[in-house]
Amino acid sequence: EAQVTQNPRYLITVTGKKLTVTCSQNMNHEYMSWYRQDPGLGLRQIYYSMNVEVTDKGDVPEGYKVSRKEKRNFPLILESPSPNQTSLYFCASSLSSAGRRGTEAFFGQGTRLTVV
Amino acid sequence: AQKITQTQPGMFVQEKEAVTLDCTYDTSDPSYGLFWYKQPSSGEMIFLIYQGSYDQQNATEGRYSLNFQKARKSANLVISASQLGDSAMYFCAMREFGTGNQFYFGTGTSLTVIP
Repeated sequence: EAQVTQNPRYLITVTGKKLTVTCSQNMNHEYMSWYRQDPGLGLRQIYYSMNVEVTDKGDVPEGYKVSRKEKRNFPLILESPSPNQTSLYFCASSLSSAGRRGTEAFFGQGTRLTVV
Repeated sequence: AQKITQTQPGMFVQEKEAVTLDCTYDTSDPSYGLFWYKQPSSGEMIFLIYQGSYDQQNATEGRYSLNFQKARKSANLVISASQLGDSAMYFCAMREFGTGNQFYFGTGTSLTVIP
């Protein structure tokens, strides 16, 4: 089954304790990205990657790191989480081919992170 | 400037009626795609419909259609014959294929279907 898998689904952590949210896709997609969803603000892109070893900042990259060592995996790292990073996080992947059907983003199930 | 604007934070519709959710976009890239996603209360993001910038006809997928007005830069979602299960958050998104290939999402519209 084609899917994007995020783990964990729920996480409560304390300020300053490093954490990693994993994301893996089995569709051989070149493009992967991370978003955070906050009430009234929609989905805001944190980082994205066009392919292995290629990553770029999105709209809200501060406080986050990513890596793309393998095509299927795109982990999100919070080196020193703070309460303002409490949010719902989504990983997504898609094909990179331009201008045609089939380039929609496939989303993971989401990770609800609470930083206290 | 916002790439995607959804001006309706909340909408109500009577069951079996049609409803239009508004979306305007801003881009100078001639090659782009427009997408609509549904997010029910369970939280997952469900892809609904796609419209390419070069597509001549408006996209349709079952009860969903996209009213694409290129000159006005609008891509409104029309849901016909609303059902109780259509109650959800709806997000409009754009992807600029020529510049960076990123996705941009709107702030969403919360739709409630009234029995």
